[in-house]
Amino acid sequence: EVQLVESGGGLVKPGSSLKLSCVASGFTFSSYGMHWIRQAPKKGLEWIALIYYDSSNKYYADSVKGRFTISRDNSKNTLYLEMNSLRSEDTAMYYCAKKGDTYGWYFDFWGPGTMVTVSS
Amino acid sequence: DIQMTQSPASLSASLGETVTIECRASEDIYNGLAWYQQKPGKSPQLLIYNANSLHTGVPSRFSGSGSGTQYSLKINSLQSEDVASYFCQQYYDYPWTFGGGTKLELK
Repeated sequence: EVQLVESGGGLVKPGSSLKLSCVASGFTFSSYGMHWIRQAPKKGLEWIALIYYDSSNKYYADSVKGRFTISRDNSKNTLYLEMNSLRSEDTAMYYCAKKGDTYGWYFDFWGPGTMVTVSS
Repeated sequence: DIQMTQSPASLSASLGETVTIECRASEDIYNGLAWYQQKPGKSPQLLIYNANSLHTGVPSRFSGSGSGTQYSLKINSLQSEDVASYFCQQYYDYPWTFGGGTKLELK
């Protein structure tokens, strides 16, 4: 059974940093691209970052480019999102998601999410 | 960026009814479209990918169709457990973008 479990969220002040983790199990983590997607309270979904299975390519949404860094450790089955210069508009539930099995960058399994609140 | 416009934003339907949710892309996305269901307080779950392929374990009352810029999700014989928000997502082109969502409630 595929499982993704995020952690590392919390309440932080504007301008600060935070690092999220996502531990994966139930599939061969090192064979799949992984994403971070966020959802502001009562809002829609926003894709924010992708990392290829071998870390060879990384893509970011414009809203986080230059501030957030996605990375992974395949030996630990863990995905990361390092977030710097946090802003109030970064307040959201952050989900990690696995790339689907077939061609195409859809998300076939999601974690339960970790909440990040940026407020003074 | 490809804009995804979903309609309606909210929908009220009766048990057993057939429901259709629409998603329009700002340009041709060549069937690179997925649908997700999100129940209150939960993370989204994949229903449909490649516009019309049913994800493993998803009930057959859910179906997807469409092409080009117009896509739809149909739920046959609405069940109480289908009360949720539904989102479309295009993955034809980076950055991957979502529709604004449709909140489905029981009448």
